[in-house]
Amino acid sequence: QLQLQESGSGLVKPSQTLSLTCAVSGGSISSGGYSWSWIRQPPGKGLEWIGYIYHSGSTYYNPSLKSRVTISVDRSKNQFSLKLSSVTAADTAVYYCARGKGDYTDYWGQGTLVTVSS
Amino acid sequence: SYVLTQPPSVSVAPGQTARITCGGNNIGSKSVHWYQQKPGQAPVLVVYDDSDRPSGIPERFSGSNSGNTATLTISRVEAGDEADYYCQVWDSSSDHQGYVFGTGTKVTVL
Repeated sequence: QLQLQESGSGLVKPSQTLSLTCAVSGGSISSGGYSWSWIRQPPGKGLEWIGYIYHSGSTYYNPSLKSRVTISVDRSKNQFSLKLSSVTAADTAVYYCARGKGDYTDYWGQGTLVTVSS
Repeated sequence: SYVLTQPPSVSVAPGQTARITCGGNNIGSKSVHWYQQKPGQAPVLVVYDDSDRPSGIPERFSGSNSGNTATLTISRVEAGDEADYYCQVWDSSSDHQGYVFGTGTKVTVL
């Protein structure tokens, strides 16, 4: 059974960079045919796709966040990461990592709350 | 970018049928996927490719998609079905491709 687990700082100061990692177990992140996504959900609001990375290393980002987002993969550790720069209070959210299968996601991490505050 | 519109809330009595709509421009030409999210939990895929169910999802959950509206139907609603539901499509254009989520619908079991 595939499992994903987010980790990283739960509190980030405004203007700084948010950094999260998603550890994948029960399967290889290098397996073909899948993408690896970050999705967020502000408190009390809906889901917003941030971006994803393919097993090949290609990345695609939400145009609304593209200038501030970097997603990378560490195959040796079977994990992928998110960096979001110049954060503001509007970036406060639960951040999820998920596996993409075709044009939907089939496995999600439990999510981690990131608060942007001084 | 592509927009998916859902009603904010749907209320249904136990044993009855809940229908959650997802509106989008010519959504019938896309594959629609549905997620259930209970409080404090990650979303769970309940329907994919318009009407298929992942293993472990009850047959009470079904989907359809035509024209400008996709619909998730929950038959014989149970108290445990109370949750937020999101539709999702893959949006691909000349300069962008990625996941688009609907605005979400809160299902309340009376």
